[in-house]
Amino acid sequence: GAVVSQHPSWVICKSGTSVKIECRSLDFQATTMFWYRQFPKQSLMLMATSNEGSKATYEQGVEKDKFLINHASLTLSTLTVTSAHPEDSSFYICSARGGVETQYFGPGTRLLVL
Amino acid sequence: AQTVTQSQPEMSVQEAETVTLSCTYDTSESDYYLFWYKQPPSRQMILVIRQEAYKQQNATENRFSVNFQKAAKSFSLKISDSQLGDAAMYFCAFIYNFNKFYFGSGTKLNVKP
Repeated sequence: GAVVSQHPSWVICKSGTSVKIECRSLDFQATTMFWYRQFPKQSLMLMATSNEGSKATYEQGVEKDKFLINHASLTLSTLTVTSAHPEDSSFYICSARGGVETQYFGPGTRLLVL
Repeated sequence: AQTVTQSQPEMSVQEAETVTLSCTYDTSESDYYLFWYKQPPSRQMILVIRQEAYKQQNATENRFSVNFQKAAKSFSLKISDSQLGDAAMYFCAFIYNFNKFYFGSGTKLNVKP
């Protein structure tokens, strides 16, 4: 149980385009999901907390207009990187809160902006 | 403010041996949860073990166990009978009151055959 999927696992796009990443909890409902960014050999950096049916809460320094988050249902949250630039290239990971204070993580999405 | 510190950037262990990864944290909260997550080369974060602060008994999951010292704010992970598949980055994490996770900087574990 407690499986979280992410799609796509790999995406390459041209600078200036937008990219959407989906995060799904497959066998449980998640009122809260989280989006992280991870640079090579570093820890996870929380970008935002996504709550079903309400606006996401962004961490300090994260541009809400660049990283659009939508949590439309209890099993799906999406992250859209708008007008992507090479500096947005990174590894993006989502997680879903399941059980008591436990987060289950998706497999991650590698984004490369050319 | 909550902080989580992993002071060992990298460690090595011989296959079948035992290794202990250290984690300390700082908080003024009394009710919280602590976790160890494993991130292998695939980069999938995998839950290894969880400890509730109100429980005095140390959590155990097969070959993985923790030494939770609440007064010292210490939460170390012991891996017994190390296997090649245990090679990964290990992250210690802290959470309270349905807040966000606070992660340590990670410890890279190498397992030598």
